[in-house]
Amino acid sequence: DTEVTQTPKHLVMGMTNKKSLKCEQHMGHRAMYWYKQKAKKPPELMFVYSYEKLSINESVPSRFSPECPNSSLLNLHLHALQPEDSALYLCASSQDTGYEDTQYFGPGTRLTVL
Amino acid sequence: EDQVTQSPEALRLQEGESSSLNCSYTVSGLRGLFWYRQDPGKGPEFLFTLYSAGEEKEKERLKATLTKKESFLHITAPKPEDSATYLCAVQASNSNYQLIWGAGTKLIIKP
Repeated sequence: DTEVTQTPKHLVMGMTNKKSLKCEQHMGHRAMYWYKQKAKKPPELMFVYSYEKLSINESVPSRFSPECPNSSLLNLHLHALQPEDSALYLCASSQDTGYEDTQYFGPGTRLTVL
Repeated sequence: EDQVTQSPEALRLQEGESSSLNCSYTVSGLRGLFWYRQDPGKGPEFLFTLYSAGEEKEKERLKATLTKKESFLHITAPKPEDSATYLCAVQASNSNYQLIWGAGTKLIIKP
């Protein structure tokens, strides 16, 4: 089973709201990722967790705050977002062995910031 | 500079009309090349991983091939449900996690 689940599917929030995106995988993968994707563009890497530790932060604004409570879960906490943050937010996971590095993506959360 | 270029940007085919999508890459050592399919508003769906020149993989009507400079995704007798954006991504040997993405090819199969 190569399934990554994400909730919610859609989210509308105001610029003063605080919300969270959730991601879960049960494939035993030890690397988890957050991506942002704008229309007609490829995914853009935001964060990588490896063995539950933040490994990569691609200079993402502090209004995005990732959290990895355990090896199966990944959260993205959102606060004081801007309208330009509206996008499809994708979670992915991979085995993180250094060899089999295929990333498997979830269905995404469509975020709209008003 | 590491780079991935996909062509064409868009491709319209009649149902049953076979064709190929191209992904050319320039990286300092290839760890892997990945093909994904993406439907509008959904996450990329994994298709293939290729690791070395000469490697080929097949799945239903799709076949992916790899050389030292490019990869092809061959689509044989496509059906309307094959319509999607096909994304190619490359992982360089000096990178653990980052993928270098192409811009994608939007494939439309007309019945």
